[in-house]
Amino acid sequence: QKEVEQNSGPLSVPEGAIASLNCTYSDRGSQSFFWYRQYSGKSPELIMSIYSNGDKEDGRFTAQLNKASQYVSLLIRDSQPSDSATYLCAVNTGFQKLVFGTGTRLLVSP
Amino acid sequence: GAVVSQHPSWVICKSGTSVKIECRSLDFQATTMFWYRQFPKQSLMLMATSNEGSKATYEQGVEKDKFLINHASLTLSTLTVTSAHPEDSSFYICSAGASEAPYEQYFGPGTRLTVT
Repeated sequence: QKEVEQNSGPLSVPEGAIASLNCTYSDRGSQSFFWYRQYSGKSPELIMSIYSNGDKEDGRFTAQLNKASQYVSLLIRDSQPSDSATYLCAVNTGFQKLVFGTGTRLLVSP
Repeated sequence: GAVVSQHPSWVICKSGTSVKIECRSLDFQATTMFWYRQFPKQSLMLMATSNEGSKATYEQGVEKDKFLINHASLTLSTLTVTSAHPEDSSFYICSAGASEAPYEQYFGPGTRLTVT
């Protein structure tokens, strides 16, 4: 069973702080990793993709991948109330299919 | 990212009737589309993988005769919920998959189905 694990939260951070979201996966053969944001009642929106060890930055978002530890994270700098959403970690395990975690709910308070 | 549309955005139907949901990839040709279902406060559940010009591949536990999927062109996939029952009420979301690594998926806005 290929699994993707996330803490369900909620993770509460004050406005302007750094939010750190974590994800672990079980399949060592996984090649690419994604973070999606899902607002309540809406469909997921792709934020970041990463497939090489290390950090990848895009604006206020930084994805970090450590394949040896089977760990991927998402940092959100200068968190805003509009960042309050559920963040889904997804892993490509082959044949284009993604395995999703259950998501971490982030709450950013003004 | 790619733009994916779904129609309708919401639908209410009576038990026993069938409902068709369309998923269109607007700005790229998607050889593979995916259909998910999401119940309230739960994560996405992959129902099936739809490949253009061939039969869909269903996940374990998903009834292929109840959830009919057709992927007739590189930009259109349809999901038909046949003989719908109240327990089929859910949020149905399609995604279009990139054909090259890293194989991102771009989601449509979803269709909320309520069966009365």
